[in-house]
Amino acid sequence: DAGVIQSPRHEVTEMGQEVTLRCKPISGHDYLFWYRQTMMRGLELLIYFNNNVPIDDSGMPEDRFSAKMPNASFSTLKIQPSEPRDSAVYFCASSLSQGRGEQYFGPGTRLTVT
Amino acid sequence: AQSVTQLGSHVSVSEGALVLLRCNYSSSVPPYLFWYVQYPNQGLQLLLKYTTGATLVKGINGFEAEFKKSETSFHLTKPSAHMSDAAEYFCAADLNTGFQKLVFGTGTRLLVSP
Repeated sequence: DAGVIQSPRHEVTEMGQEVTLRCKPISGHDYLFWYRQTMMRGLELLIYFNNNVPIDDSGMPEDRFSAKMPNASFSTLKIQPSEPRDSAVYFCASSLSQGRGEQYFGPGTRLTVT
Repeated sequence: AQSVTQLGSHVSVSEGALVLLRCNYSSSVPPYLFWYVQYPNQGLQLLLKYTTGATLVKGINGFEAEFKKSETSFHLTKPSAHMSDAAEYFCAADLNTGFQKLVFGTGTRLLVSP
């Protein structure tokens, strides 16, 4: 299995630009999670989906952030407009409902907003 | 509030010494507990997990952890540290909300000196 795939691995953009991060979960997994990791705030859960439906988006910091999961094999996290404080590593993870918390993480996307 | 606490943001050991990383949880019901490891510039990787049954669980790379309900603890140990163990370690709990959501501790960075 290829594991969770994220793209791009690195993104550098200017303030005000739209940023789209992509994630392909492990085939057959029915949960998908988006996390953000920074030195200051540690690992934060932004939003998660079950069977492509958003379950909890209370961690999404602002309306500038949005996430979609149009099908079981693809999800996006969009930031529009981006700000320097959005600079972080964004992780996608997936899991099976029977797995009871055993999440599989992607390699992350390092976002730098200048 | 339900939470996971990791004592010590940094732990330093010498190569060959015992590794002990502490984790305590706060939950009204017995949770499922996990330890994840993050190597530099990588995503989190599952090290071991406790669900039910035997309270001493073994994971990859010689690590093990013991669930102690009376102490609400799930400390991670390894008898002899190796240089390759240098990484950040996260304790996490599935607090039986039924939503597959993990609560993560703030992480402990393990430093191993020669």
